[in-house]
Amino acid sequence: NAGVTQTPKFQVLKTGQSMTLQCAQDMNHEYMSWYRQDPGMGLRLIHYSVGAGITDQGEVPNGYNVSRSTTEDFPLRLLSAAPSQTSVYFCASSSGTSGGWGSGTQYFGPGTRLLVL
Amino acid sequence: DQQVKQNSPSLSVQEGRISILNCDYTNSMFDYFLWYKKYPAEGPTFLISISSIKDKNEDGRFTVFLNKSAKHLSLHIVPSQPGDSAVYFCAASNFGNEKLTFGTGTRLTIIP
Repeated sequence: NAGVTQTPKFQVLKTGQSMTLQCAQDMNHEYMSWYRQDPGMGLRLIHYSVGAGITDQGEVPNGYNVSRSTTEDFPLRLLSAAPSQTSVYFCASSSGTSGGWGSGTQYFGPGTRLLVL
Repeated sequence: DQQVKQNSPSLSVQEGRISILNCDYTNSMFDYFLWYKKYPAEGPTFLISISSIKDKNEDGRFTVFLNKSAKHLSLHIVPSQPGDSAVYFCAASNFGNEKLTFGTGTRLTIIP
């Protein structure tokens, strides 16, 4: 299993450009999520999905769109990049909504470092 | 409004001694807590978790303690090893809810 994969590893954008950060998992996990990590802020949830066709907003959703057409893929779209979106982005997945104490254990990808000029 | 707080941004510990990382939470609905470890240029990796029906959980050198009345949890690493140098994140969720709320992290440095 490759686990959670993210592409690209690093990207430089100009203000106003759009792009899609890719995330894929091969563990057949129902739950997937996107976080951003900023200095002194920890990991903040952007969007999440509890299964194909179902997405919802997290703590900091503005400026980002998501869709979940398959169980494996959960792309994050930046519609019009701004310098405030300079960050490291992590995708994560877990085995999902069966409930129980273990359901919060998420597996993270290696991250995408984004610089918006 | 930071619902999960790690008030120590950094901690240095001698190799072989005990490392204690602390985490406080304000949301009384949280009932499942996790610790993640993160090395530079990598994603966080799950370390250990505890549910609110327990006050202690052990896994090898790692033990997590939960004090529900104080809304406080701590991670003990004994003995500390150089490979433990990393950023540690505390996270919290509700039973059956996949959403995690993370703290800001503590950078642990183990001094050889």
